[in-house]
Amino acid sequence: NAGVTQTPKFRVLKTGQSMTLLCAQDMNHEYMYWYRQDPGMGLRLIHYSVGEGTTAKGEVPDGYNVSRLKKQNFLLGLESAAPSQTSVYFCASSPTGSEAFFGQGTRLTVV
Amino acid sequence: SQKIEQNSEALNIQEGKTATLTCNYTNYSPAYLQWYRQDPGRGPVFLLLIRENEKEKRKERLKVTFDTTLKQSLFHITASQPADSATYLCALAGNSGYALNFGKGTSLLVTP
Repeated sequence: NAGVTQTPKFRVLKTGQSMTLLCAQDMNHEYMYWYRQDPGMGLRLIHYSVGEGTTAKGEVPDGYNVSRLKKQNFLLGLESAAPSQTSVYFCASSPTGSEAFFGQGTRLTVV
Repeated sequence: SQKIEQNSEALNIQEGKTATLTCNYTNYSPAYLQWYRQDPGRGPVFLLLIRENEKEKRKERLKVTFDTTLKQSLFHITASQPADSATYLCALAGNSGYALNFGKGTSLLVTP
Protein backbone atom coordinates (compact mmCIF):
# COMPACT_ATOMS: atom_id res chain seq x y z
CA ASN A 1 0.00 0.00 0.00
CA ALA A 2 1.75 3.15 -1.21
CA GLY A 3 -0.90 5.56 0.13
CA VAL A 4 -0.66 8.97 -1.53
CA THR A 5 2.15 9.47 -4.02
CA GLN A 6 3.10 12.82 -5.53
CA THR A 7 5.16 13.25 -8.67
CA PRO A 8 7.62 14.97 -8.98
CA LYS A 9 9.21 15.63 -5.59
CA PHE A 10 11.18 18.66 -6.78
CA ARG A 11 10.90 20.92 -9.80
CA VAL A 12 12.37 24.20 -10.99
CA LEU A 13 10.38 26.12 -13.61
CA LYS A 14 11.03 29.28 -15.50
CA THR A 15 8.41 32.01 -15.38
CA GLY A 16 5.75 31.35 -18.01
CA GLN A 17 6.39 27.61 -18.28
CA SER A 18 3.64 25.12 -17.65
CA MET A 19 3.65 21.89 -15.69
CA THR A 20 1.40 19.28 -14.16
CA LEU A 21 1.73 17.80 -10.70
CA LEU A 22 0.37 14.29 -10.33
CA CYS A 23 -1.22 12.87 -7.21
CA ALA A 24 -2.08 9.18 -7.07
CA GLN A 25 -3.81 7.30 -4.25
CA ASP A 26 -4.38 3.58 -3.94
CA MET A 27 -6.88 3.64 -1.06
CA ASN A 28 -10.03 4.05 -3.19
CA HIS A 29 -10.76 7.39 -1.51
CA GLU A 30 -13.51 9.63 -2.86
CA TYR A 31 -12.10 12.97 -1.71
CA MET A 32 -8.84 14.46 -2.92
CA TYR A 33 -7.24 17.84 -2.19
CA TRP A 34 -4.42 20.05 -3.36
CA TYR A 35 -2.78 22.46 -0.89
CA ARG A 36 0.11 24.84 -1.00
CA GLN A 37 2.19 25.61 2.07
CA ASP A 38 4.22 28.77 2.43
CA PRO A 39 6.18 30.01 5.47
CA GLY A 40 3.85 31.78 7.87
CA MET A 41 0.77 31.02 5.76
CA GLY A 42 -0.01 27.47 6.73
CA LEU A 43 -1.75 25.01 4.43
CA ARG A 44 -4.06 26.73 1.95
CA LEU A 45 -6.55 24.77 -0.10
CA ILE A 46 -6.21 25.27 -3.86
CA HIS A 47 -8.77 22.88 -5.32
CA TYR A 48 -10.50 19.74 -4.19
CA SER A 49 -12.60 16.90 -5.58
CA VAL A 50 -15.37 14.89 -3.97
CA GLY A 51 -15.38 12.17 -6.61
CA GLU A 52 -14.31 11.14 -10.08
CA GLY A 53 -15.16 13.81 -12.62
CA THR A 54 -15.81 16.54 -10.02
CA THR A 55 -13.66 19.46 -8.94
CA ALA A 56 -14.23 22.59 -6.85
CA LYS A 57 -12.28 25.72 -5.94
CA GLY A 58 -10.68 26.18 -2.58
CA GLU A 59 -9.26 29.27 -0.93
CA VAL A 60 -6.52 30.09 -3.48
CA PRO A 61 -7.48 28.66 -6.90
CA ASP A 62 -6.21 31.43 -9.18
CA GLY A 63 -3.46 30.35 -11.58
CA TYR A 64 -4.19 26.65 -11.14
CA ASN A 65 -6.39 24.09 -12.85
CA VAL A 66 -7.22 20.55 -11.82
CA SER A 67 -8.68 17.39 -13.27
CA ARG A 68 -9.98 14.14 -11.78
CA LEU A 69 -10.58 11.91 -14.74
CA LYS A 70 -9.84 8.76 -12.74
CA LYS A 71 -10.78 8.21 -9.12
CA GLN A 72 -7.22 7.43 -8.08
CA ASN A 73 -5.57 10.45 -9.72
CA PHE A 74 -5.84 14.19 -9.10
CA LEU A 75 -3.80 16.45 -11.37
CA LEU A 76 -2.80 20.03 -10.59
CA GLY A 77 -1.80 22.19 -13.54
CA LEU A 78 0.03 25.47 -13.76
CA GLU A 79 -0.54 26.97 -17.19
CA SER A 80 1.89 29.88 -16.91
CA ALA A 81 4.03 29.65 -13.82
CA ALA A 82 4.79 32.78 -11.79
CA PRO A 83 7.36 33.32 -9.01
CA SER A 84 4.42 33.72 -6.58
CA GLN A 85 3.67 30.04 -7.17
CA THR A 86 6.96 28.99 -5.60
CA SER A 87 5.80 26.81 -2.75
CA VAL A 88 5.53 23.31 -1.34
CA TYR A 89 2.48 21.54 -2.72
CA PHE A 90 0.72 18.78 -0.83
CA CYS A 91 -1.90 16.40 -2.09
CA ALA A 92 -4.24 14.55 0.26
CA SER A 93 -7.03 12.03 0.01
CA SER A 94 -9.86 11.09 2.34
CA PRO A 95 -12.52 8.39 2.32
CA THR A 96 -15.33 10.59 3.62
CA GLY A 97 -13.98 14.12 3.93
CA SER A 98 -12.76 13.51 7.48
CA GLU A 99 -9.37 11.90 8.17
CA ALA A 100 -7.00 12.96 5.38
CA PHE A 101 -3.87 11.17 4.22
CA PHE A 102 -1.12 13.33 2.78
CA GLY A 103 1.58 12.80 0.22
CA GLN A 104 5.21 13.68 0.80
CA GLY A 105 4.97 17.03 -0.98
CA THR A 106 6.37 18.64 -4.12
CA ARG A 107 8.81 21.50 -3.76
CA LEU A 108 8.33 23.86 -6.70
CA THR A 109 10.56 26.81 -7.47
CA VAL A 110 9.64 29.30 -10.19
CA VAL A 111 12.52 31.51 -11.30
CA SER B 1 -15.13 35.10 6.39
CA GLN B 2 -14.21 31.74 7.87
CA LYS B 3 -11.16 31.66 10.09
CA ILE B 4 -9.23 29.00 11.98
CA GLU B 5 -6.82 30.52 14.47
CA GLN B 6 -3.98 28.85 16.31
CA ASN B 7 -1.27 30.40 18.45
CA SER B 8 1.43 31.59 16.09
CA GLU B 9 4.01 31.72 18.84
CA ALA B 10 5.95 28.54 19.41
CA LEU B 11 5.24 26.67 22.62
CA ASN B 12 8.33 25.58 24.56
CA ILE B 13 7.84 23.14 27.43
CA GLN B 14 9.93 20.84 29.54
CA GLU B 15 9.85 17.09 29.09
CA GLY B 16 7.22 15.44 31.28
CA LYS B 17 4.92 18.46 31.38
CA THR B 18 1.55 18.76 29.66
CA ALA B 19 1.41 20.77 26.45
CA THR B 20 -1.85 22.54 25.65
CA LEU B 21 -2.54 23.95 22.20
CA THR B 22 -5.55 26.03 21.24
CA CYS B 23 -7.67 26.19 18.09
CA ASN B 24 -10.36 28.86 17.72
CA TYR B 25 -12.68 29.20 14.75
CA THR B 26 -15.21 31.67 13.39
CA ASN B 27 -18.01 31.33 10.84
CA TYR B 28 -17.84 27.54 10.81
CA SER B 29 -20.54 25.13 11.87
CA PRO B 30 -18.37 22.03 12.02
CA ALA B 31 -19.71 18.54 12.44
CA TYR B 32 -16.21 17.58 13.59
CA LEU B 33 -12.74 18.97 14.12
CA GLN B 34 -9.40 17.31 13.46
CA TRP B 35 -5.84 17.59 14.71
CA TYR B 36 -2.74 16.76 12.66
CA ARG B 37 0.97 16.63 13.31
CA GLN B 38 3.55 17.88 10.81
CA ASP B 39 7.28 17.31 10.99
CA PRO B 40 9.71 19.45 8.95
CA GLY B 41 9.79 18.45 5.29
CA ARG B 42 6.92 16.00 5.68
CA GLY B 43 3.20 16.00 5.01
CA PRO B 44 0.75 16.31 7.91
CA VAL B 45 -0.29 13.14 9.71
CA PHE B 46 -3.77 12.69 11.16
CA LEU B 47 -3.96 12.36 14.95
CA LEU B 48 -7.52 12.72 16.23
CA LEU B 49 -11.03 13.63 15.16
CA ILE B 50 -13.67 14.86 17.57
CA ARG B 51 -17.35 15.23 16.67
CA GLU B 52 -19.62 18.10 17.66
CA ASN B 53 -21.53 15.93 20.12
CA GLU B 54 -18.31 14.78 21.86
CA LYS B 55 -16.86 16.93 24.62
CA GLU B 56 -13.59 15.06 24.91
CA LYS B 57 -11.61 12.40 23.11
CA ARG B 58 -8.44 10.57 24.14
CA LYS B 59 -5.80 8.55 22.39
CA GLU B 60 -2.86 7.36 24.46
CA ARG B 61 -1.19 10.58 25.75
CA LEU B 62 -3.35 12.84 23.58
CA LYS B 63 -6.58 14.50 24.66
CA VAL B 64 -8.80 16.79 22.63
CA THR B 65 -11.74 18.86 23.84
CA PHE B 66 -14.33 20.55 21.66
CA ASP B 67 -16.57 23.38 22.82
CA THR B 68 -18.96 24.43 20.05
CA THR B 69 -20.33 27.26 22.21
CA LEU B 70 -16.89 28.82 22.67
CA LYS B 71 -15.94 27.72 19.12
CA GLN B 72 -12.73 26.31 20.50
CA SER B 73 -10.77 23.07 20.69
CA LEU B 74 -7.94 22.33 23.08
CA PHE B 75 -5.28 19.74 22.28
CA HIS B 76 -3.30 18.30 25.19
CA ILE B 77 -0.20 16.11 25.18
CA THR B 78 0.47 14.69 28.62
CA ALA B 79 3.89 13.51 29.81
CA SER B 80 5.43 15.23 26.81
CA GLN B 81 8.62 13.91 25.23
CA PRO B 82 11.21 15.50 22.93
CA ALA B 83 9.83 13.27 20.14
CA ASP B 84 6.56 15.21 20.42
CA SER B 85 8.32 18.30 19.05
CA ALA B 86 6.54 19.19 15.80
CA THR B 87 3.95 21.55 14.38
CA TYR B 88 0.35 20.74 15.26
CA LEU B 89 -2.46 21.71 12.93
CA CYS B 90 -6.15 22.08 13.53
CA ALA B 91 -8.54 21.36 10.63
CA LEU B 92 -12.21 21.93 9.92
CA ALA B 93 -14.47 21.08 7.03
CA GLY B 94 -16.08 24.09 5.38
CA ASN B 95 -19.78 24.64 5.72
CA SER B 96 -20.34 22.62 2.55
CA GLY B 97 -18.80 19.72 4.42
CA TYR B 98 -16.33 19.03 1.65
CA ALA B 99 -13.42 21.49 1.71
CA LEU B 100 -10.94 20.69 4.48
CA ASN B 101 -9.31 23.86 5.79
CA PHE B 102 -6.37 24.14 8.17
CA GLY B 103 -5.12 26.60 10.74
CA LYS B 104 -1.55 27.86 10.43
CA GLY B 105 -0.38 25.51 13.14
CA THR B 106 1.47 25.86 16.42
CA SER B 107 5.06 24.76 16.78
CA LEU B 108 5.79 22.72 19.90
CA LEU B 109 9.30 22.23 21.26
CA VAL B 110 9.80 19.81 24.13
CA THR B 111 13.20 20.09 25.80
CA PRO B 112 14.82 17.42 27.99
